[in-house]
Amino acid sequence: DAGVIQSPRHEVTEMGQEVTLRCKPISGHNSLFWYRQTMMRGLELLIYFNNNVPIDDSGMPEDRFSAKMPNASFSTLKIQPSEPRDSAVYFCASRLRGFSYGYTFGSGTRLTVV
Amino acid sequence: GIQVEQSPPDLILQEGANSTLRCNFSDSVNNLQWFHQNPWGQLINLFYIPSGTKQNGRLSATTVATERYSLLYISSSQTTDSGVYFCAATGGEGAQKLVFGQGTRLTINP
Repeated sequence: DAGVIQSPRHEVTEMGQEVTLRCKPISGHNSLFWYRQTMMRGLELLIYFNNNVPIDDSGMPEDRFSAKMPNASFSTLKIQPSEPRDSAVYFCASRLRGFSYGYTFGSGTRLTVV
Repeated sequence: GIQVEQSPPDLILQEGANSTLRCNFSDSVNNLQWFHQNPWGQLINLFYIPSGTKQNGRLSATTVATERYSLLYISSSQTTDSGVYFCAATGGEGAQKLVFGQGTRLTINP
């Protein structure tokens, strides 16, 4: 089991550019979550999917953020256009839906917007 | 939604000491986990423990769901235990949203 795989590990981009973060959940897991970690706000949920369908995107900060899950093994989080305040670590997590199972997190993508 | 509070925010100990980290939550929980965020930023799952007691080596955790708290015990601390420990829970409305506490930053000095 390779765990939750995120790419890239680090991303440095200029303000105004489009950024795409990628996530491959654990095979067989049917729920996927995107989190953002900042010093000011800690770890906060942005959006989550069940069976590839977005369920709750109330944590997405602005329309500049969008997320997709075209199939059970891949999800993207896109920021367009990026701004310096988007600099943070973005984590993806997956789980096997049902109350008896925990969440497994990827290694995160550290995004720096200059 | 559920609220999660951790204490203390910071803890500095000498190698070999024991420590207890606390997590209080505001509602009944379906899921409660303890994570360790290491110096490289990785979130390592330590325990899935919505109730009861579990042990893994020098670490153990207890959740008393009826009283809405969980404790993480670290015995004979090592410098590699340093990092931030997070408690996270789902419960109440939005039962799939894993809500994190603000963390306890543990520093183990040699």
